[in-house]
Amino acid sequence: DAKTTQPNSMESNEEEPVHLPCNHSTISGTDYIHWYRQLPSQGPEYVIHGLTSNVNNRMASLAIAEDRKSSTLILHRATLRDAAVYYCILRDEVYNFNKFYFGSGTKLNVKP
Amino acid sequence: DADVTQTPRNRITKTGKRIMLECSQTKGHDRMYWYRQDPGLGLRLIYYSFDVKDINKGEISDGYSVSRQAQAKFSLSLESAIPNQTALYFCATSDSSGGVYEQYFGPGTRLTVT
Repeated sequence: DAKTTQPNSMESNEEEPVHLPCNHSTISGTDYIHWYRQLPSQGPEYVIHGLTSNVNNRMASLAIAEDRKSSTLILHRATLRDAAVYYCILRDEVYNFNKFYFGSGTKLNVKP
Repeated sequence: DADVTQTPRNRITKTGKRIMLECSQTKGHDRMYWYRQDPGLGLRLIYYSFDVKDINKGEISDGYSVSRQAQAKFSLSLESAIPNQTALYFCATSDSSGGVYEQYFGPGTRLTVT
């Protein structure tokens, strides 16, 4: 089963960009890359997803390596509210829908 | 009002008791899920339902059962609770008509089994 590897924690200064890395060397052709985040005492919240091309939305950008074995979530200007655990998840949207591993994620600390 | 609600938010129960956690959603989504989260770990899928007549086991279904009473309601039962089922439980929903499926999570139920 395709799994992801993320650093346990990262730190950023407020209003600076943050690059959160994720390795997924065993990704399959039908795996989508999802990012969720979990703020303290809340349920996870969808951030962004992609398959092959880089993606942008109002919350973040997702940069996907050409070989798809790694990706990076980019928060363009971190705010204190962005302090959360960020999960990089692979899911096969076609054949193995129930394989949706959240893993342990990266805890992002944002300093004022 | 929240789109995905869970009741109760906190529950303490004793070993061997039967307990039900309930989830309701107002998003009109067809798919619903139950996850558990243990301290310091990510989420693991317990059960999921694609519609009212479709129930599927997830990664860790042993010791749990579910019921999809209506499109908007999905309940999780622990028939005989045991201490290692102490965890944070999340319900989630998604809409299959949208392609790749973003999930919307409830606020969670903190369950303690003593």
